[in-house]
Amino acid sequence: EAGVTQSPTHLIKTRGQQATLRCSPISGHTSVYWYQQALGLGLQFLLWYDEGEERNRGNFPPRFSGRQFPNYSSELNVNALELEDSALYLCASSLVQASNEKLFFGSGTQLSVL
Amino acid sequence: EDQVTQSPEALRLQEGESSSLNCSYTVSGLRGLFWYRQDPGKGPEFLFTLYSAGEEKEKERLKATLTKKESFLHITAPKPEDSATYLCAVQGLTNAGKSTFGDGTTLTVKP
Repeated sequence: EAGVTQSPTHLIKTRGQQATLRCSPISGHTSVYWYQQALGLGLQFLLWYDEGEERNRGNFPPRFSGRQFPNYSSELNVNALELEDSALYLCASSLVQASNEKLFFGSGTQLSVL
Repeated sequence: EDQVTQSPEALRLQEGESSSLNCSYTVSGLRGLFWYRQDPGKGPEFLFTLYSAGEEKEKERLKATLTKKESFLHITAPKPEDSATYLCAVQGLTNAGKSTFGDGTTLTVKP
């Protein structure tokens, strides 16, 4: 069974540009989560989507946005990129109906802002 | 706001030398405490979920325990392949869908 897949693996942008990151959850999982892992920092919660709706978001500015498609895949958009947006962006999925919401992570997209 | 603090930041062990990793947490009602393993260049991989104080879970050389304020990940007779960063995370009863992660403990096991 395929795990969580993310694309692209690496993305290089310049300040002010927009970045789009994509995620396909495990088959049957309806919830998708986005986390930012900056160098030397822990995982920071960005967004949670379930059944096509944004259910919760972390303490990030509005230029971080995303959506979930009918097939449960998701994309994260980062507008007006800043140098400090350079980080590993991790997508995770879960069976939200399950009593324990353990997360299954992809390998991430490494975003570099120059 | 939920908080997770892990210690030590880094731990170097000889193969076979048992030790423990600590995760201290504050949360507004614990939904679950999670341990993950993260290898370089990869996303975290789920290890355990603990729900209430006194609970214990085991998997191979790893054993996770939980109290009302902290969790321990005990590693018995570690092998070099246990080298990784171990992450602790909590989910509270409020702020649905959000896991709060610690900064992790990087474990290196030398042969």
